[in-house]
Amino acid sequence: QQQVKQSPQSLIVQKGGIPIINCAYENTAFDYFPWYQQFPGKGPALLIAIRPDVSEKKEGRFTISFNKSAKQFSLHIMDSQPGDSATYFCAASKGAQKLVFGQGTRLTINP
Amino acid sequence: GAGVSQSPRYKVAKRGQDVALRCDPISGHVSLFWYQQALGQGPEFLTYFQNEAQLDKSGLPSDRFFAERPEGSVSTLKIQRTQQEDSAVYLCASSAASGYMNTEAFFGQGTRLTVV
Repeated sequence: QQQVKQSPQSLIVQKGGIPIINCAYENTAFDYFPWYQQFPGKGPALLIAIRPDVSEKKEGRFTISFNKSAKQFSLHIMDSQPGDSATYFCAASKGAQKLVFGQGTRLTINP
Repeated sequence: GAGVSQSPRYKVAKRGQDVALRCDPISGHVSLFWYQQALGQGPEFLTYFQNEAQLDKSGLPSDRFFAERPEGSVSTLKIQRTQQEDSAVYLCASSAASGYMNTEAFFGQGTRLTVV
């Protein structure tokens, strides 16, 4: 019940395209859903986060769509750039407790 | 400090050796987490401190793993009698969150442990 399942495992998109990464969770007690970006040799860095009382949140080129009834949420990257090439992790937590991470998506944006 | 600082960045240990990994969280952050990240995988929770209290150690894989945060600031993750399966990146994160609402967790760059 603690799992967060993420797909796809890898994704290749042309510059300017809109990569979409999906996550599904089981624990309905989760109330915080962040997305992290990780470059090789670096720690994860928060991109954007959402709470279950809203269905969409946008920050710059990054948008989270959240479907509470389906227990799913997704990350969209608008006007993707080669510099967005990284590994992306979704996560979920209950209150101020540990983050449960998805397995990660390795995103490549081709010039 | 400006961010979460971890040391050493890299550690090579012979099997059976004890290691200690250090984490300096962002000043004033109440919550501190340790995660283990295997190659190509997402971080997996090890343990959680709120100030000096270790509130959750359910993710520690064995009794060879021990963590402490004696003064509610710097934390040390100790691994005794290291095994090859302990090879991973160990990430520390801190946040200002306490109570019932989560806020942004800031991660350090991690310590890459290789057991040979």
